[in-house]
Amino acid sequence: EDQVTQSPEALRLQEGESSSLNCSYTVSGLRGLFWYRQDPGKGPEFLFTLYSAGEEKEKERLKATLTKKESFLHITAPKPEDSATYLCAPLSEGGSYIPTFGRGTSLIVHP
Amino acid sequence: DGGITQSPKYLFRKEGQNVTLSCEQNLNHDAMYWYRQDPGQGLRLIYYSQIVNDFQKGDIAEGYSVSREKKESFPLTVTSAQKNPTAFYLCASSYLNQPQHFGDGTRLSIL
Repeated sequence: EDQVTQSPEALRLQEGESSSLNCSYTVSGLRGLFWYRQDPGKGPEFLFTLYSAGEEKEKERLKATLTKKESFLHITAPKPEDSATYLCAPLSEGGSYIPTFGRGTSLIVHP
Repeated sequence: DGGITQSPKYLFRKEGQNVTLSCEQNLNHDAMYWYRQDPGQGLRLIYYSQIVNDFQKGDIAEGYSVSREKKESFPLTVTSAQKNPTAFYLCASSYLNQPQHFGDGTRLSIL
């Protein structure tokens, strides 16, 4: 059974204080791993897809990286508008082409 | 602009009543999904459909029903058999193996 654990559950940062969010996964062969951002009362918004270990993707202050067992979302010099819940979702090679979502990390960036 | 539309944004259900949540997409995606999101629980899959006139149960299908008569539409009915329906419901669509695009959700409450 595919499993995903995101840590920490919640993270409070000061504006400009860089940090990383972790996504640990156990799947039967990784087809890809998705990162999403979700604002309160809204649906998740797609950020990145990573396909293989060593791959990196960047978008503004966000950089996602991938190893064989984990993915990290690095946030450099965050701003209050980066406050949101960040979800990761690995997609395994077996089965039904349905990604498994982690419970997310709730990020609050204080001005 | 292409996207996925959920309606209504807020919905109230009386005891013993069935209610139907609408989901429409104009992205030409083959697959559509319904998720339930509760605080601290992450996204849980209710039903999914990878082709018109076919759908599969997800992890928590009991008390719910769906139909997929058109590629663009995937309505979810919350039946009176669902004893704890209060939640945030998210609809998504995608091409197979590709990241999902989400609507902005329907919040269902009990009167």
